[in-house]
Amino acid sequence: ETGVTQTPRHLVMGMTNKKSLKCEQHLGHNAMYWYKQSAKKPLELMFVYNFKEQTENNSVPSRFSPECPNSSHLFLHLHTLQPEDSALYLCASSQSRTEMNTEAFFGQGTRLTVV
Amino acid sequence: GNSVTQMEGPVTLSEEAFLTINCTYTATGYPSLFWYVQYPGEGLQLLLKATKADDKGSNKGFEATYRKETTSFHLEKGSVQVSDSAVYFCALGGYNKLIFGAGTRLAVHP
Repeated sequence: ETGVTQTPRHLVMGMTNKKSLKCEQHLGHNAMYWYKQSAKKPLELMFVYNFKEQTENNSVPSRFSPECPNSSHLFLHLHTLQPEDSALYLCASSQSRTEMNTEAFFGQGTRLTVV
Repeated sequence: GNSVTQMEGPVTLSEEAFLTINCTYTATGYPSLFWYVQYPGEGLQLLLKATKADDKGSNKGFEATYRKETTSFHLEKGSVQVSDSAVYFCALGGYNKLIFGAGTRLAVHP
């Protein structure tokens, strides 16, 4: 496999469920990201990990819990979500950069519906 | 702070029309600039990029020139096709992250 792979592609969950989204990258990158894309809203950066360490959390509610066990894998654990959390969740990876030239590669996303 | 502003859509064109999608940015330093494209039901794909002033990025007939004097990176294509219908995102390369514009939806009709 190549690139960035996200599973599952589609997920329907109830508000009391617990589920996890998975992301895996085969590009040898050391930075990984979660973005949220809601209808008619700009892309929202949720979390950033560099070398497995979380370096950014953009005021994301605690019902979203990220995990990065190594530079190739990223998870987003979900619990007690709300219907407004329904969105496309995108994972991305890049080489960690100190210059302002970060180029990210994206997975195909997980379409999440909370019922 | 760093930010990206792109024209609101949707942009609706007939096949073979000329396309321009405007993008301007605010940044300290000298960022790289990107255009990403998102086809229906898919993630974002890198379309083209430019890493310094006056660079021109190009791919699949699309072009954009990094203009430092006007802080712009407008996307152009001379003749669009129905298959170009998608959402286009302008982005700025920040420190260990990308900063995106709001996206512009393009619809091309036969």
